[in-house]
Amino acid sequence: AQSVTQLGSHVSVSEGALVLLRCNYSSSVPPYLFWYVQYPNQGLQLLLKYTSAATLVKGINGFEAEFKKSETSFHLTKPSAHMSDAAEYFCAVSTDAGGTSYGKLTFGQGTILTVHP
Amino acid sequence: GAVVSQHPSRVICKSGTSVKIECRSLDFQATTMFWYRQFPKQSLMLMATSNEGSKATYEQGVEKDKFLINHASLTLSTLTVTSAHPEDSSFYICSARDDRAADTQYFGPGTRLTVL
Repeated sequence: AQSVTQLGSHVSVSEGALVLLRCNYSSSVPPYLFWYVQYPNQGLQLLLKYTSAATLVKGINGFEAEFKKSETSFHLTKPSAHMSDAAEYFCAVSTDAGGTSYGKLTFGQGTILTVHP
Repeated sequence: GAVVSQHPSRVICKSGTSVKIECRSLDFQATTMFWYRQFPKQSLMLMATSNEGSKATYEQGVEKDKFLINHASLTLSTLTVTSAHPEDSSFYICSARDDRAADTQYFGPGTRLTVL
């Protein structure tokens, strides 16, 4: 079984400030981890993914995340927030990277990021 | 980049009617597609895995006779909500796995279903 917990349903930062969105996972086998962003009434866009290569993963729009096995964490960060970063962010886990069952994602509860001027 | 479309984007129907939602991969082939449901202010819940040419695999608690899935081609999967009721109102999102890159999955823009 696998699960994802996102700490904090709402995060508010000032423009230019550090963004930190927390994600902890639980998995009985080595996980594959993802961060997605969702804008209102839209689908999900992949920000970045960890699939057992480098533990520090760089994604689009200046975001990055670090896989820490000892802490079972995959927190998302961005050094300087922009107004356009305001959206909802989902952390997700999958235990398959291939085969027909790949893509069965378990999502966290989501974190709404608000960016103040 | 790869694009997944959904049609319609928004639908309102009367209780008891059936609604079909289409999910298309526009510039890649997708043997496998997924259907998710998202309630307001909640996360996505996987409903079923749709595989081209075979029966869909439903997650526990999802009624297969209620949510009919057909994956007739490598670019199209459909979800039909049969005999819809107000509790079926939700945001339905599909995703498609690119056959050329097994670890890459693209999401559609979603369909807002409202059952009166």
